Amino acid sequence: GNSVTQMEGPVTLSEEAFLTINCTYTATGYPSLFWYVQYPGEGLQLLLKATKADDKGSNKGFEATYRKETTSFHLEKGSVQVSDSAVYFCALDTGGGYQKVTFGTGTKLQVIP
Amino acid sequence: EPEVTQTPSHQVTQMGQEVILRCVPISNHLYFYWYRQILGQKVEFLVSFYNNEISEKSEIFDDQFSVERPDGSNFTLKIRSTKLEDSAMYFCASSKDRVEQYFGPGTRLTVT
Repeated sequence: GNSVTQMEGPVTLSEEAFLTINCTYTATGYPSLFWYVQYPGEGLQLLLKATKADDKGSNKGFEATYRKETTSFHLEKGSVQVSDSAVYFCALDTGGGYQKVTFGTGTKLQVIP
Repeated sequence: EPEVTQTPSHQVTQMGQEVILRCVPISNHLYFYWYRQILGQKVEFLVSFYNNEISEKSEIFDDQFSVERPDGSNFTLKIRSTKLEDSAMYFCASSKDRVEQYFGPGTRLTVT
């Protein structure tokens, strides 16, 4: 079956530090890959996505590249801000059918001033 | 920008009671979903719904759960007889073309 594995959190960084959150996946077919963000007390927001191998998704300074050879979709940001503190979920969808999204366990990021 | 809305934001109920969680998907979307997130755990798929039918459901979605689109705008999740382990955040999502799902802010269900 499909699964997503994310690095354990919480991750604590100082403002302006470089962020990497690792994500690897197992899937049949050719999944689309996503990063969702959940700010404290809020719902899930799509942060970025990539629908095929070698695509790079980017948004708000975050980026992730779909690596089929390593089945990975690591999230990176060059300089984090306090406002980036949230829980980040890696997810996949194999498309076709009626599309259920499979989520990772989430990685909590805390950015301190 | 259109968004998915959910009501109530927080529901407290006693074990054994029925609850209905409500969602208003984005108006031109055709595919609807419910997910849940038990506190501190991953977001889990419950059910997908299209053309007034359940199209897929997970093993979590047992006979205690049902979904309905009672009119042209609402999409509801009913839990017939709540259990303590049903306490979770429930997210509704909708999609126009199955490429991208848009999630609502969630309803926190607390079963006491």
